[in-house]
Amino acid sequence: QQQVKQSPQSLIVQKGGISIINCAYENTAFDYFPWYQQFPGKGPALLIAIRPDVSEKKEGRFTISFNKSAKQFSLHIMDSQPGDSATYFCAASSGGNAGNMLTFGGGTRLMVKP
Amino acid sequence: GAGVSQSPSNKVTEKGKDVELRCDPISGHTALYWYRQSLGQGLEFLIYFQGNSAPDKSGLPSDRFSAERTGGSVSTLTIQRTQQEDSAVYLCASSRRSYSNQPQHFGDGTRLSIL
Repeated sequence: QQQVKQSPQSLIVQKGGISIINCAYENTAFDYFPWYQQFPGKGPALLIAIRPDVSEKKEGRFTISFNKSAKQFSLHIMDSQPGDSATYFCAASSGGNAGNMLTFGGGTRLMVKP
Repeated sequence: GAGVSQSPSNKVTEKGKDVELRCDPISGHTALYWYRQSLGQGLEFLIYFQGNSAPDKSGLPSDRFSAERTGGSVSTLTIQRTQQEDSAVYLCASSRRSYSNQPQHFGDGTRLSIL
């Protein structure tokens, strides 16, 4: 059962454009939503994360928008750069005593053209 | 060390052999997680440790997989009688604790190839 659905699978954006990646979740117990960036041959690196009591979080060029009622969240990369070309994963977890293990979306391969 | 360290970075072995993968978490992190990344299944949770205890082993694919953690630090993931479907990148992550949604920091993984 895929509990976190991510789209699109791949994305091509021109340099300076906005990259938008969307995720939807099913489990209402999820209360932590991180985004990870992964380069080939490397492990995922935490980019930015949000909790459901906040509708938006911005860190530099990266913004998470969160819609609790729709059970959706998205990553916006402003002024996209060729160095942003990587695979992006959304994830979700529930805290408390549930262990905090991450459930990942399927990933989005982003290519930013110069 | 500064980050999560995994060894070996690459492992090629024959079907039926046993393999042992090692993870050295960030100093002071009490929670440690193993995930598997494969083309067909994406990133999937295997097991986590809080200290030396593994409260949730539900993600282990079969009884050929086992993991342990000693001294609240280094962890090893062992796969016995490897099969070709075990080929994947095995990722380890650590966080300060396994609750309160602490950020998880990943190593670069062990790429396992079963011939």
